[in-house]
Amino acid sequence: AQRVTQPEKLLSVFKGAPVELKCNYSYSGSPELFWYVQYSRQRLQLLLRHISRESIKGFTADLNKGETSFHLKKPFAQEEDSAMYYCALSGRGSYIPTFGRGTSLIVHP
Amino acid sequence: EADIYQTPRYLVIGTGKKITLECSQTMGHDKMYWYQQDPGMELHLIHYSYGVNSTEKGDLSSESTVSRIRTEHFPLTLESARPSHTSQYLCASIGGRAHYEQYFGPGTRLTVT
Repeated sequence: AQRVTQPEKLLSVFKGAPVELKCNYSYSGSPELFWYVQYSRQRLQLLLRHISRESIKGFTADLNKGETSFHLKKPFAQEEDSAMYYCALSGRGSYIPTFGRGTSLIVHP
Repeated sequence: EADIYQTPRYLVIGTGKKITLECSQTMGHDKMYWYQQDPGMELHLIHYSYGVNSTEKGDLSSESTVSRIRTEHFPLTLESARPSHTSQYLCASIGGRAHYEQYFGPGTRLTVT
């Protein structure tokens, strides 16, 4: 069975502070991992995927297979980063993603 | 423009009514999904489809049904709406070169009075 855990329901930081949204997963094979973001009054959209190894809007996420983690990081948070963030996992060959419960990020001015 | 569309965006309806939430995508994706999500909460998969004439129930027990007669269209029907069905319903799809990435529609916010 696959599982995604986002331990923080809410993360509150000040503008310019570093941000780390935690995501731990449980999966026996090789996972495909994603971070999705949902800004206020906007649709859920992909932020980044582990296979791309890219930085989007200053966010990065590294897959740590030893710790089974895929934490999302940004060195300097901006107010426009305030949103709901969901970590998701798909097993290779499975098209049924498992989502974490989400973390609400609030960046104060 | 290639996108995923949901109608209506907002719906207020009385208990016992039959309703259909529409979802269409113009991306040619073969896999489509319905999720239920309360605002700021986790997503619950209620139905999915891997292609025409293929439909499966998801993890969340639901009194809804779906159909997939055309690739681009994946409607969700509630035969008899109840207040417990009040929620946001998200449609999503997967396909093309982004094999596992989901594209989401804007959602339908349903209120049953």
